[in-house]
Parts: sequence; C-alpha cells; structure tokens
Amino acid sequence: GDSVTQMEGPVTLSEEAFLTINCTYTATGYPSLFWYVQYPGEGLQLLLKATKADDKGSNKGFEATYRKETTSFHLEKGSVQVSDSAVYFCALPYNQGGKLIFGQGTELSVKP
Amino acid sequence: DAGVTQSPTHLIKTRGQHVTLRCSPISGHKSVSWYQQVLGQGPQFIFQYYEKEERGRGNFPDRFSARQFPNYSSELNVNALLLGDSALYLCASSLDPTAQLSSYNSPLHFGNGTRLTVT
Repeated sequence: GDSVTQMEGPVTLSEEAFLTINCTYTATGYPSLFWYVQYPGEGLQLLLKATKADDKGSNKGFEATYRKETTSFHLEKGSVQVSDSAVYFCALPYNQGGKLIFGQGTELSVKP
Repeated sequence: DAGVTQSPTHLIKTRGQHVTLRCSPISGHKSVSWYQQVLGQGPQFIFQYYEKEERGRGNFPDRFSARQFPNYSSELNVNALLLGDSALYLCASSLDPTAQLSSYNSPLHFGNGTRLTVT
C-alpha cells in the first residue's frame, strides 16, 4: 500500500546551518506531496506542497522537489533559525478528499 | 475567523472508561477528519465525515466511533479505553472531501488536538 518514510530524528543543528530531511514514498501513480510542520503544543500546518513530478514547493525558506525517479521529496533549508525548531512530517493523500498518509515525523532542534 | 477548535485540550481517563472528544470546524467547512497521533509517530487517519455521513474509516477497532452534527461539528467517541489509546487526537476540517489536495491552500486545517492520557 501507499506509504511514506522519513529519516529518523531528532536532528540537532546550529543556527544558520543547512537542513535536509529525507522523505521517500511508495504510491500508485503520482500523487501530490506535502510537508507539514508541528510546532510545540500546536496542530499541523501545511509548510509546502508539490503537485507533480519535478515541481518544487517552497515556503518560508524551505524547499522540496518532487522527484519521481527516486520517489523522494526531501525538505531543505539553507539557513535554519531557532524558530524552525519543530516536528516535520512528509505526507501524501490516498483515495479521495482529505485523507493523508503521514511519515513518522522528524524532530528538528536548532540551537543558537 | 476562528480556526478548528477542539475540546478538551487535555484529558486523563482510566482503562475501561469511555471518552468523547469534540471538534468545531472552520466556518463553512463541511468535512471533518479525525487523526490519532501517538507520541513519536505521525498522525494516523481514523475517520472522515461529510454532511453527517461517514466517508472513510481507518484501521481502528469498533471501540472508536464518531458522528457529525447538522452544524458540521463532530464528536469522536472511544469506548473501553486501553493504555494504547493514549495519544494526541487531531481534528481537521475542509470544505468538502473531494477538494483536491493539490490546491494552493491546504484544504485540511488542523486543530491543536486533545491530549488523551489513559492510566
């Protein structure tokens, strides 16, 4: 069945370091792909998305490219900030409507 | 506009008890979905409701049930609680279940969740 696999955390970085969080997926066809972020004590927020192969989603300095050849959607940011500390989830939809399959999440901790 | 609101924010129950969690969607949203997020894992889909009808169900036992009211708010009920039911329960709303997830603004808007602890 459809699934999403993320690199395990926690990831600890210093401020201004480069971030990569790996995400690979298994799916029928070419679904949209998403990154959600969960700040402490909050629900999930959509960070960015890509709707087709080779699309690059971007938001708040984060980027991810939909690569069908490697079935990957890795999240990157060139210079992280303390405020980026959160848990990041890769996700894809299945069936119709508002159902998402999430990866297990990767916790990011950015130190000053 | 208010976002998705969930109540209560925290709850402690004993094994074998019953619990009801509540969710109010964003105004105008007709679909509500429930997710269970166990500590250290990603959210798992439980139910989706649209126009008071169940549109989808995840791999959860019959102890889990839900319903949607005419005002589109929703309740999630869990009977005979087990220790393993301890989790963050997230509610998400969207305009309708067929809204394409490829739209620019995520059609899924999440609440902050209810933290359930079963002792």
